[in-house]
Amino acid sequence: DIQMTQSPSTLSASVRDRVTITCRASQSISSWLAWYQQKPGKAPKLLIYKASSLESGVPSRFSGSGSGTEFTLTISGLQPDDFATYYCQQYNVYPWTFGQGTKVEIK
Amino acid sequence: EVQLLESGGGLVQPGGSLRLSCAASGFTFSSYAMSWVRQAPGKGMEWVSGISGSGGSTYYVDSVKGRLTISRDNSKNTLYLQMNSLRAEDTALYYCAKGVVAVAGRYYFDYWGQGTLVTVSS
Repeated sequence: DIQMTQSPSTLSASVRDRVTITCRASQSISSWLAWYQQKPGKAPKLLIYKASSLESGVPSRFSGSGSGTEFTLTISGLQPDDFATYYCQQYNVYPWTFGQGTKVEIK
Repeated sequence: EVQLLESGGGLVQPGGSLRLSCAASGFTFSSYAMSWVRQAPGKGMEWVSGISGSGGSTYYVDSVKGRLTISRDNSKNTLYLQMNSLRAEDTALYYCAKGVVAVAGRYYFDYWGQGTLVTVSS
């Protein structure tokens, strides 16, 4: 199975900060990577697909980059609504696998 | 509006069975792959099983093979997960998720239900 490793596990930041989360795959997944946001008690919400494509309706402050084994999610100008947990997911090879999550907390 | 509504969760003893359902609306159900994804309390997410739009292809994570069975009834717009020989480690919130095919055989999830809780305990 492909292992997805996110860093950091927890991130403390302030409103208007630029935040970057890294996701590493144990083997190449090309660009078959998605990012999700999850708030407590809620279902995950799709943010980014194919590593860098922004899902319709998602604010442009979210962006994704990378290919192969290393990927990043960047939030440019953190907003109060962005404090949540973020997950990456590879969909190159079954079983689809998720990173362990990165919790973005208020500093 | 796309809606996914899971049901069927509950408390079950180890070795017991449950059948989860996911009622879908707001899209052409038979045109989309679907999956079950679970989240143990306080933990991250784990993809469990997926099924093609026609139902002809199914996929599982190794830890559930032979115990969990995914199926769908396209006439009822409903996805199922039959869960047998349940173990404590199957305790989780189970989400159904609608797949968006990126290219043949590869898909990510654009809509998720709110989940149904399965607790396996004596």
